[in-house]
Amino acid sequence: GAVVSQHPSRVICKSGTSVKIECRSLDFQATTMFWYRQFPKQSLMLMATSNEGSKATYEQGVEKDKFLINHASLTLSTLTVTSAHPEDSSFYICSAKDRGTVLVEQYFGPGTRLTVT
Amino acid sequence: TQLLEQSPQFLSIQEGENLTVYCNSSSVFSSLQWYRQEPGEGPVLLVTVVTGGEVKKLKRLTFQFGDARKDSSLHITAAQPGDTGLYLCAGPWRGATNKLIFGTGTLLAVQP
Repeated sequence: GAVVSQHPSRVICKSGTSVKIECRSLDFQATTMFWYRQFPKQSLMLMATSNEGSKATYEQGVEKDKFLINHASLTLSTLTVTSAHPEDSSFYICSAKDRGTVLVEQYFGPGTRLTVT
Repeated sequence: TQLLEQSPQFLSIQEGENLTVYCNSSSVFSSLQWYRQEPGEGPVLLVTVVTGGEVKKLKRLTFQFGDARKDSSLHITAAQPGDTGLYLCAGPWRGATNKLIFGTGTLLAVQP
């Protein structure tokens, strides 16, 4: 149980275009999902908290107009990187918290490698 | 500010050796978790420790939560190449317990 999927796993796009990344909880409902960014050999950096049916909460320094987050259902959150630039190239990981538990653990997706050329 | 500092940052050892990874903070955490992440994958939860002084064992991995709940350690006995990966400790943010703060990470390479 507690499986989170991400799509796509890898994406290459041209500078100036937008890219959408999907995060799905496959066997549980998640009222809260999280989006992280990770640089090579470094730890995870929280970008935003995605709440079902409401606006996302962004961490300090993260541009909300640049990284659009939508959490339309209890099993799906999307991250859209708008007008992507090479500096947006990174590994993006989502996670989800099981709605049915008070535990703090998060279950992570396999990540999406974004390369902007 | 809550910070979780891990040491060492990098560790390269031979198969069969033992190792310990440390996760330290000046803040008290209600719980701490350990994750392992392999290249190109998302982190996978290994364990959650909740009680000060708690020790949990997962096969060759032993996790300990400090008595004051400010630190934790991960000890691996007889490391194997399959243990290679990035080890991350994490704990809930004070005041926003849904969010996790991650440690700085320890990159472990076990050479055959």
